[in-house]
Amino acid sequence: GAGVSQSPRYKVAKRGQDVALRCDPISGHVSLFWYQQALGQGPEFLTYFQNEAQLDKSGLPSDRFFAERPEGSVSTLKIQRTQQEDSAVYLCASRRGGGSTEAFFGQGTRLTVV
Amino acid sequence: GENVEQHPSTLSVQEGDSAVIKCTYSDSASNYFPWYKQELGKRPQLIIDIRSNVGEKKDQRIAVTLNKTAKHFSLHITETQPEDSAVYFCAATSGGGADGLTFGKGTHLIIQP
Repeated sequence: GAGVSQSPRYKVAKRGQDVALRCDPISGHVSLFWYQQALGQGPEFLTYFQNEAQLDKSGLPSDRFFAERPEGSVSTLKIQRTQQEDSAVYLCASRRGGGSTEAFFGQGTRLTVV
Repeated sequence: GENVEQHPSTLSVQEGDSAVIKCTYSDSASNYFPWYKQELGKRPQLIIDIRSNVGEKKDQRIAVTLNKTAKHFSLHITETQPEDSAVYFCAATSGGGADGLTFGKGTHLIIQP
């Protein structure tokens, strides 16, 4: 596709439910990032992949959060036993690699936990 | 880790006037500083960026300045237009873009007609 695609765009989950958020990066992009953006705030780094390797997961807020990118393209962010404080927009970004610095963002998934 | 402070949180300017948004960072190892524009409900989009080996960069009506000694950088928009209304985020990283970005809290820029 032409840009980073995320699905679903909106997700409403009951507290305690598990959710899975999908990111399709730009084809051929080596690097993939997940960010969490609370209402009225800047994006906060969650995790970073280079191809299929998860090189940094220091931003994941708890062990309920898990991300994977098994074939080095599509990535999934999974949140187990969702809580109200997990409500936010989850943004995915990809970067070509090879010295390229620009990160291209998807439109995000707005997660609301009720 | 890195900490980025951004000011002001809201900025209202008359159409045609200039707007300046300022950010400070804490990690002296940071070497890449992008600025993103985010319209309501849309994705953040890169508008300009600067590396630490450059003091200033300009692209038409937009410019960014960097002071490494003081650890601050600023976004300047001249001849503002209604379509400039959005939230602007500064960010910093120490990996030349290889690591995750640390963002400021954003500035809501309002262009008054």
